[in-house]
Amino acid sequence: DQQVKQNSPSLSVQEGRISILNCDYTNSMFDYFLWYKKYPAEGPTFLISISSIKDKNEDGRFTVFLNKSAKHLSLHIVPSQPGDSAVYFCAARVIYGGSQGNLIFGKGTKLSVKP
Amino acid sequence: GAGVSQSPSNKVTEKGKDVELRCDPISGHTALYWYRQSLGQGLEFLIYFQGNSAPDKSGLPSDRFSAERTGGSVSTLTIQRTQQEDSAVYLCASSTGGFVEPQHFGDGTRLSIL
Repeated sequence: DQQVKQNSPSLSVQEGRISILNCDYTNSMFDYFLWYKKYPAEGPTFLISISSIKDKNEDGRFTVFLNKSAKHLSLHIVPSQPGDSAVYFCAARVIYGGSQGNLIFGKGTKLSVKP
Repeated sequence: GAGVSQSPSNKVTEKGKDVELRCDPISGHTALYWYRQSLGQGLEFLIYFQGNSAPDKSGLPSDRFSAERTGGSVSTLTIQRTQQEDSAVYLCASSTGGFVEPQHFGDGTRLSIL
């Protein structure tokens, strides 16, 4: 049973427009969420995170939105650039007192930004 | 180097052989994780080390898989009697161990079992 779901395996966007990548989760105990970006033959690179006490976190062109009631988060990239073309993974973690859980990953969404 | 280092970057071996994969975490990072990514799948958690605590082995798929971390730094993931379904990219990550600190990944070892 997948606890973190990225239902769109791919997304194509024109350069300069907004890219919106979506992620749904089922475990209500998740309270920390991360987005990673992965180029071929490289490891995932951390992009941005959000804790469950917030509904938005922004870092430059990247904004993550969290809707806890819907168990949904999204990553917005604006404006999109060709160098953003990569696979984006959504990940979630349960943080419980005195411990640090492993990350649960979605299957990824391949973003293609066309010039 | 400054990042997580994994070796080898690629490994091809015959079914039934044992393999060892190495991870050198970022200096000072107390938490170390192993994941694997099979074709078309997300990353699957394998094992987690935090300081001197007993490792969390809950993600290891079978008793053919084991890992150790010596001196709180370098880690080795060992797969015994490899099977074709073990073919995947094995990724190591480390973090400072803080509650909301992100994990930083190496570039992985691509393991192919013939």
